Amino acid sequence: QQQVKQSPQSLIVQKGGISIINCAYENTAFDYFPWYQQFPGKGPALLIAIRPDVSEKKEGRFTISFNKSAKQFSLHIMDSQPGDSATYFCAASSAGSQGNLIFGKGTKLSVKP
Amino acid sequence: DGGITQSPKYLFRKEGQNVTLSCEQNLNHDAMYWYRQDPGQGLRLIYYSQIVNDFQKGDIAEGYSVSREKKESFPLTVTSAQKNPTAFYLCASSHQRDRGTYEQYFGPGTRLTVT
Repeated sequence: QQQVKQSPQSLIVQKGGISIINCAYENTAFDYFPWYQQFPGKGPALLIAIRPDVSEKKEGRFTISFNKSAKQFSLHIMDSQPGDSATYFCAASSAGSQGNLIFGKGTKLSVKP
Repeated sequence: DGGITQSPKYLFRKEGQNVTLSCEQNLNHDAMYWYRQDPGQGLRLIYYSQIVNDFQKGDIAEGYSVSREKKESFPLTVTSAQKNPTAFYLCASSHQRDRGTYEQYFGPGTRLTVT
């Protein structure tokens, strides 16, 4: 019940296309859902996050869509660029966990020029 | 310049030796974490500390030890009891932004190779 399942494991998208990464969870106590971006050899960087009281959050080309009833959330990268090529992790936490995040296993995104 | 520093970036050790990885933060965050990252495994929690002089085991604590004597520092020791210590180690810290939302930030990582 503590898992966050992320798909796909890898994704290849053409420059200018839309990249979509999906995550699903079981624990209904989760109330914070961040996405991290990690470049090879670097630490993950917080990209965008959402709470379940909204269904969508947009920051630039990055959008999180959240479906509370389905217990799913997804990251959309519009107008994908080669510089977006990285590994993306979804995560979730609950207020009771005091910030401890449960991570998905990651999606390696390659954007082809 | 605020942030999380981990040193060294690359570390090489012989099997059977203990090794300590450094993590320092100047963000004034209360909580700190250690993760291990292996290819295809995502991030797995080793230890975490919500407050000075207190820490808790994560999912894969066996073969590791930590201390939290200062708010800014959370060193991780990889002991000889850790069966497969070669990995990328990530330190993180977090602060409470609002009503239960804790934003977690990561350091640059230390790649440990044990032969």
